[in-house]
Amino acid sequence: NAGVTQTPKFQVLKTGQSMTLQCAQDMNHNSMYWYRQDPGMGLRLIYYSASEGTTDKGEVPNGYNVSRLNKREFSLRLESAAPSQTSVYFCASLSQSYSNQPQHFGDGTRLSIL
Amino acid sequence: AQSVTQLDSHVSVSEGTPVLLRCNYSSSYSPSLFWYVQHPNKGLQLLLKYTSAATLVKGINGFEAEFKKSETSFHLTKPSAHMSDAAEYFCVVSSFSGNTGKLIFGQGTTLQVKP
Repeated sequence: NAGVTQTPKFQVLKTGQSMTLQCAQDMNHNSMYWYRQDPGMGLRLIYYSASEGTTDKGEVPNGYNVSRLNKREFSLRLESAAPSQTSVYFCASLSQSYSNQPQHFGDGTRLSIL
Repeated sequence: AQSVTQLDSHVSVSEGTPVLLRCNYSSSYSPSLFWYVQHPNKGLQLLLKYTSAATLVKGINGFEAEFKKSETSFHLTKPSAHMSDAAEYFCVVSSFSGNTGKLIFGQGTTLQVKP
């Protein structure tokens, strides 16, 4: 009963390094999402994929890229990490993007950029 | 546009006393609303959801919330707090643009439970 799995759980990078955060879901959901969580700001949407083969920008996409590799996997890439990208990153999935059902979340990736 | 405001950033209660976490929303149509809980260093867990059925929604761990359209509120309550309820709570509204749904999060309320 894995649900949404994120790897790695923790990572420390130096400014300018690149990194890819991985996310996989086993619920056969069509839609997947990447959020970042910063203190006092709730979760903010970075990118989302309403269905396999499509991706769209969310509220805070600058400095990130995404790839919907297949229906199960949705990765988030930082090409040149900056200290402002220190955050906790959450991946989520949903059966259909227009559904009124709740999203399912992974446990997060805690990323520090020095 | 949809938005959600959690009226308290921090709430402190004693164990065994009632919990009230306040949430107001703004939506141009009948919204779907959710409360999520996040324990330290964990992901988000759904507590309950409102999707235009009964206005009083019961969730897990004894929590419930009442949808009040006239007040645009969706406050979370629990009759008796337990130490394990200490966590961060998020009120969330669904937003639709075309046929694409997104979640709009409140800023979060940290619940402290004192022994």
